Amino acid sequence: SQTIHQWPATLVQPVGSPLSLECTVEGTSNPNLYWYRQAAGRGLQLLFYSVGIGQISSEVPQNLSASRPQDRQFILSSKKLLLSDSGFYLCAWSRLRSSYEQYFGPGTRLTVT
Amino acid sequence: AQTVTQSQPEMSVQEAETVTLSCTYDTSESDYYLFWYKQPPSRQMILVIRQEAYKQQNATENRFSVNFQKAAKSFSLKISDSQLGDAAMYFCAYTHTGEPSGGGADGLTFGKGTHLIIQP
Repeated sequence: SQTIHQWPATLVQPVGSPLSLECTVEGTSNPNLYWYRQAAGRGLQLLFYSVGIGQISSEVPQNLSASRPQDRQFILSSKKLLLSDSGFYLCAWSRLRSSYEQYFGPGTRLTVT
Repeated sequence: AQTVTQSQPEMSVQEAETVTLSCTYDTSESDYYLFWYKQPPSRQMILVIRQEAYKQQNATENRFSVNFQKAAKSFSLKISDSQLGDAAMYFCAYTHTGEPSGGGADGLTFGKGTHLIIQP
């Protein structure tokens, strides 16, 4: 069966510090991978998606970036965090051209102070 | 751009009764999927049910069923025999399937969610 991991689960970082959130998927190959952000009391906003190693599409201009160094690894980064980067970050995967549903990881709660 | 609207920020239902959550969407695409996701207090997003736009038959998963009205662009979720464990945020979501950026590669567009409260 497939599982998706995210770490860390919780993170508190000062403004201006760097960020690295990691997501890995097990039990499948060549998945589509996604990063979403959920602000308090709101739905999920798509940040990045990837259909393969090194292939990243950005949906929202911001100071965040994403990378996919391995088939089942997806990393969300920032060089300098802003207060507005606080939120709940979710990674998800889906099968290419399959039933289109996405499966989510447990999320990372990021607080920028 | 596609939009998904959930007009009920909060709903409350007695345990064992039936509740319907509303969702409308706007798209110019003809091929797409719709989903309902559940987010309990743990914040893990859990897929509840999905509907393919080309299928006229409404999807059903145990106590969960949908009423898909393609012409009206409406996609409601009915929960029968509500249980305490159903208490959560429920999100309606959309993705299109057509080329060139389809094929499941695009992300989901979510509504803002409905907070479902189950009264014991």
